Amino acid sequence: QKEVEQDPGPLSVPEGAIVSLNCTYSNSAFQYFMWYRQYSRKGPELLMYTYSSGNKEDGRFTAQVDKSSKYISLFIRDSQPSDSATYLCAMNLVGGGADGLTFGKGTHLIIQP
Amino acid sequence: DAGVTQSPTHLIKTRGQQVTLRCSPKSGHDTVSWYQQALGQGPQFIFQYYEEEERQRGNFPDRFSGHQFPNYSSELNVNALLLGDSALYLCASSLGRQGADGELFFGEGSRLTVL
Repeated sequence: QKEVEQDPGPLSVPEGAIVSLNCTYSNSAFQYFMWYRQYSRKGPELLMYTYSSGNKEDGRFTAQVDKSSKYISLFIRDSQPSDSATYLCAMNLVGGGADGLTFGKGTHLIIQP
Repeated sequence: DAGVTQSPTHLIKTRGQQVTLRCSPKSGHDTVSWYQQALGQGPQFIFQYYEEEERQRGNFPDRFSGHQFPNYSSELNVNALLLGDSALYLCASSLGRQGADGELFFGEGSRLTVL
């Protein structure tokens, strides 16, 4: 069993839809949870950063962490074609990636105009 | 404000050769991490440099080595290249080993092809 599981997709939705992206993990010691967006042939860009359990909202993006279920989610409201990218979840034991981030495989998201 | 810059952007090597990749961190950052991203996979942590020393290392063989210079820039060296080393190599920088909000800034990567 991989440490972080993420459905690679592709996930295709119409413009304006609410998108739900998810990851499960096995190491209960993870404390910091992140979502990165990666456009084709570019480096990952941090979207959301959450410590421990709870919700965090930033504009159209909401991140949720449920440590009891070892499950994290990213919701995108009013999705736009420019949101089409690969979304990577990542997590680590301490802040700043000092012990190295553990990434999921990434979910390829396609927003249809 | 320049972000993380990496060079070269693309390169092709043959098996058994050696390669050096370079990274300049975001202005003000002092910590550099390297990741390997194979096609269709998430990035995998190789190692992190802070204060010119390797502080943490992922599950990579000794063929992978690095260096950090006094100006915080960094190099990744890979010896005795294998076909399986073909990947996008990403550099990420942060402030301190445990940066504010844990934010890592990634460069656009160096795409290595081993033939």
